[in-house]
Amino acid sequence: ETGVTQTPRHLVMGMTNKKSLKCEQHLGHNAMYWYKQSAKKPLELMFVYSLEERVENNSVPSRFSPECPNSSHLFLHLHTLQPEDSALYLCASSQDQGGEEYNEQFFGPGTRLTVL
Amino acid sequence: AQTVTQSQPEMSVQEAETVTLSCTYDTSESDYYLFWYKQPPSRQMILVIRQEAYKQQNATENRFSVNFQKAAKSFSLKISDSQLGDAAMYFCAYRSRGAQKLVFGQGTRLTINP
Repeated sequence: ETGVTQTPRHLVMGMTNKKSLKCEQHLGHNAMYWYKQSAKKPLELMFVYSLEERVENNSVPSRFSPECPNSSHLFLHLHTLQPEDSALYLCASSQDQGGEEYNEQFFGPGTRLTVL
Repeated sequence: AQTVTQSQPEMSVQEAETVTLSCTYDTSESDYYLFWYKQPPSRQMILVIRQEAYKQQNATENRFSVNFQKAAKSFSLKISDSQLGDAAMYFCAYRSRGAQKLVFGQGTRLTINP
């Protein structure tokens, strides 16, 4: 596997289900991100992890719970979601160099989530 | 807070022609980065080109070039000699220097007509 991978690619869940999205990066990066891409809306940054610590949480509802057990893996745990949470969830990674220089974010293919 | 606006939800161009995608942004900062990302159908988003705000020279990557107008806060993408593989959603994005957060525009869907 190369780059950034995400599983599953598609997920359908009911509002009472609990599921998890997984992201894995094979680039040796130290920062990982979750984005939400809804139809006709800009990509929204949800969470940022740098060196396995959460450094940004953009007012995301608590029904979304991120976890970063190590620098290569990022999870998004989902519970009691709403239909409006249906979207493409993108993971990205980058090499955080202390914020001084450009650090390109590499994106995964996304998980298409449908909440019924 | 910074915002990025792409006023063209959809664009189309004939193969081999040139097309320009528009992007404007709003910021009070003087040092930042601007990006164009490409998201092909059912494929991963990839970086097309980037521009550092402190550089006056417009960035160029093969058939892709930008027109960066800092005073006007405008950052357009020109695609020359359009190819069928250029068909995708194109996103303009902003990042403050020293920050990790990317602020994206709404995207422009580009169709290439053979």
